[in-house]
Amino acid sequence: GQQLNQSPQSMFIQEGEDVSMNCTSSSIFNTWLWYKQDPGEGPVLLIALYKAGELTSNGRLTAQFGITRKDSFLNISASIPSDVGIYFCAGRERSGGSNYKLTFGKGTLLTVNP
Amino acid sequence: DADVTQTPRNRITKTGKRIMLECSQTKGHDRMYWYRQDPGLGLRLIYYSFDVKDINKGEISDGYSVSRQAQAKFSLSLESAIPNQTALYFCATSDPPLSDTQYFGPGTRLTVL
Repeated sequence: GQQLNQSPQSMFIQEGEDVSMNCTSSSIFNTWLWYKQDPGEGPVLLIALYKAGELTSNGRLTAQFGITRKDSFLNISASIPSDVGIYFCAGRERSGGSNYKLTFGKGTLLTVNP
Repeated sequence: DADVTQTPRNRITKTGKRIMLECSQTKGHDRMYWYRQDPGLGLRLIYYSFDVKDINKGEISDGYSVSRQAQAKFSLSLESAIPNQTALYFCATSDPPLSDTQYFGPGTRLTVL
């Protein structure tokens, strides 16, 4: 099945630093989503992108839908300790008729040192 | 109140036992999903259902079965649990076509001894 390459696998940064992570795919996606998972919880949607080239912000988070439709990145500015968690990208591709499925990246584990 | 709930939150069982994990949602969404999460492997789709009469296998359905009892309920069963099914299991819902973003439950941590 479809796979997403998410990088980096993990990051260890100092509070206040900016963070960047990205996902790439061999196939074209119609939607890119970014989720964050806190320890012991389910993933929570951060940003959804629906158009190639789209750049969307949510507070200190900014994500972009790549022009080729095969990649997306997420930036976090001025990181704080509560940014700690696992960040997942997910892409949606057409999968027969009007039924769609999401494919998830393997996640980026972010650790923020106060 | 949570929109997507899962029971139990934690379960320890023995090899060969039958286990059912339950998911309920109050979001009114037609589509429901079961994922498993393993360290370093991300989220992998087990089964999904686009309505009460529609059940589809995901990428890792072997050893699992599901039941969509109603729009709001989607259960995952392990007919004969084995240790490599030890994982974190998530239920999710979505509501297309305007937005196929998925909303996740809090997860069930299953340990098979």
